[in-house]
Amino acid sequence: DGGITQSPKYLFRKEGQNVTLSCEQNLNHDAMYWYRQDPGQGLRLIYYSQIVNDFQKGDIAEGYSVSREKKESFPLTVTSAQKNPTAFYLCASSTHDFSGNTIYFGEGSWLTVV
Amino acid sequence: EDKVVQSPLSLVVHEGDTVTLNCSYEVTNFRSLLWYKQEKKAPTFLFMLTSSGIEKKSGRLSSILDKKELFSILNITATQTGDSAIYLCAAPYGGSQGNLIFGKGTKLSVKP
Repeated sequence: DGGITQSPKYLFRKEGQNVTLSCEQNLNHDAMYWYRQDPGQGLRLIYYSQIVNDFQKGDIAEGYSVSREKKESFPLTVTSAQKNPTAFYLCASSTHDFSGNTIYFGEGSWLTVV
Repeated sequence: EDKVVQSPLSLVVHEGDTVTLNCSYEVTNFRSLLWYKQEKKAPTFLFMLTSSGIEKKSGRLSSILDKKELFSILNITATQTGDSAIYLCAAPYGGSQGNLIFGKGTKLSVKP
């Protein structure tokens, strides 16, 4: 079945450590996105990529980094520079011919930094 | 600055009640407004609205857009406990159509 796979689902890290969240899609989508969700908040865009080897900062990119070496993969690294990394992270992908129901979300990764 | 504002932020109703969730927006070069349902994990798509006054319906859920007043409503009739979720409103912004600006969501709790 086609879809988006995020891993790990739950991750605990000590403050000051970098952590990388994986996102893989087999939908043949060109565009991929990372969103962050805090309790009581909507989703906020961290980074997005419209094509391989290219990515752009979203609204809250500080303290995060990404790469897009393959069409299927868009990993997110949460660096020690991110002041409040504990959150729910959602990866998504879409075609360029976006029509609302063609953006797919992964199941999310819960990151807790202690 | 583009923004999407939802109200109320939380709502508790009893099964069988009808609820109306609100979403107002200010988005440059507005193209569409989206509704999602989120139950602990990934948001699931409900509706995309692009034209004013045309109601979209799916079972007990319906939604409509008013582009003059810049808002949308999501109605749920005969609510069930399975409708308990966070309902998110979003709109594409910026250069990529998949970049979405979200409201904070309305947390709906349906009591038996």
